[in-house]
Amino acid sequence: NAGVMQNPRHLVRRRGQEARLRCSPMKGHSHVYWYRQLPEEGLKFMVYLQKENIIDESGMPKERFSAEFPKEGPSILRIQQVVRGDSAAYFCASSPPQDSYGYTFGSGTRLTVV
Amino acid sequence: AQKVTQAQTEISVVEKEDVTLDCVYETRDTTYYLFWYKQPPSGELVFLIRRNSFDEQNEISGRYSWNFQKSTSSFNFTITASQVVDSAVYFCALTGSYNTDKLIFGTGTRLQVFP
Repeated sequence: NAGVMQNPRHLVRRRGQEARLRCSPMKGHSHVYWYRQLPEEGLKFMVYLQKENIIDESGMPKERFSAEFPKEGPSILRIQQVVRGDSAAYFCASSPPQDSYGYTFGSGTRLTVV
Repeated sequence: AQKVTQAQTEISVVEKEDVTLDCVYETRDTTYYLFWYKQPPSGELVFLIRRNSFDEQNEISGRYSWNFQKSTSSFNFTITASQVVDSAVYFCALTGSYNTDKLIFGTGTRLQVFP
């Protein structure tokens, strides 16, 4: 049973480009969470999704950031017109419906904006 | 509001020393979970423990032990006979308000174990 798969592992974008980060949850997990870790800081919650629904996006920046978890396929965190301050590690986690705190984290995507 | 404080930014020890990482939390919920995660230099997050607020028994797993004290809102983590491979950043986390599933993380403690 593969764990939470995130890709790419590293992503470099120039200022103004778009970044797309993918997360495939563990088999049987229907809850997906995205967290951001800025350099030398702890993780900060961004968004919580279930299939085709955004449950809690209280941690998402108001502009340029969006997330989806379609019926088929991975969850996508999309950052439009990236700026240097978006450089961070983005972690995805998933959990099963019967144990929403039974988190499994992916290995993260390190985004560098140059 | 929920909050997790890890006051120790960085700790350095020599191999075989015991070390305790402190975690103090704030919550108004009566039911909550506390977690510890390890982030080695490779960057991934390694789950160490999850503890329910109703279970105040201390836990031991090999060289790792956890002391949960509701009276002082603390959930401290001790590594006995530390090893170089224990060098990492350790995060304490708390579940968010009752009606959300998010985790609130502390800022982490960087542990360096020297040979």
